[in-house]
Amino acid sequence: AQSVTQLGSHVSVSEGALVLLRCNYSSSVPPYLFWYVQYPNQGLQLLLKYTSAATLVKGINGFEAEFKKSETSFHLTKPSAHMSDAAEYFCAVSWGSNYQLIWGAGTKLIIKP
Amino acid sequence: EAQVTQNPRYLITVTGKKLTVTCSQNMNHEYMSWYRQDPGLGLRQIYYSMNVEVTDKGDVPEGYKVSRKEKRNFPLILESPSPNQTSLYFCASSTGTSGYNEQFFGPGTRLTVL
Repeated sequence: AQSVTQLGSHVSVSEGALVLLRCNYSSSVPPYLFWYVQYPNQGLQLLLKYTSAATLVKGINGFEAEFKKSETSFHLTKPSAHMSDAAEYFCAVSWGSNYQLIWGAGTKLIIKP
Repeated sequence: EAQVTQNPRYLITVTGKKLTVTCSQNMNHEYMSWYRQDPGLGLRQIYYSMNVEVTDKGDVPEGYKVSRKEKRNFPLILESPSPNQTSLYFCASSTGTSGYNEQFFGPGTRLTVL
């Protein structure tokens, strides 16, 4: 079965430090890849998505992610963390014409002052 | 303002008492979906609808019903709620039915079944 793995249910970084949230998916078939963010007590909103154009994708709030086919990964990064980045981040994947999204378990990002 | 709305936002009920969570979108989206979110499990899809009168089961449909009589509305019905349905529920909609389309989410409904 196809799956999405997010390494680390919680990631803690200091304000100003690099943010790295990991996402790996199963399957050699090129997927569509998404990162969504959920701020406290809110719904999810799209951060960025990969749809077979450039492998480095830029999103909102200074986040970006790189699609690496050989590693079946789509890790999310931000050069300098801000307190407002504290949220839960979800990686999601869909394949081909199948519209259904497969979701990772989520990573809660904690920003230390 | 383009949005997905859900009501109620919070609900505490007792086992066996039928309830409905409403979902409405004002973006003329064809695709709508219901998810539940539980700690450590991410989002799991309950039901989805590709268009009016077309619904299908997701990964965890047991104990839930849906209907899609109008394009904008997609209510979630729990005929006989049980404590294991205590969860955070999200409705989402999308402009298309292709795998690369963004989904827009409602604010969530936190349900507690005693």
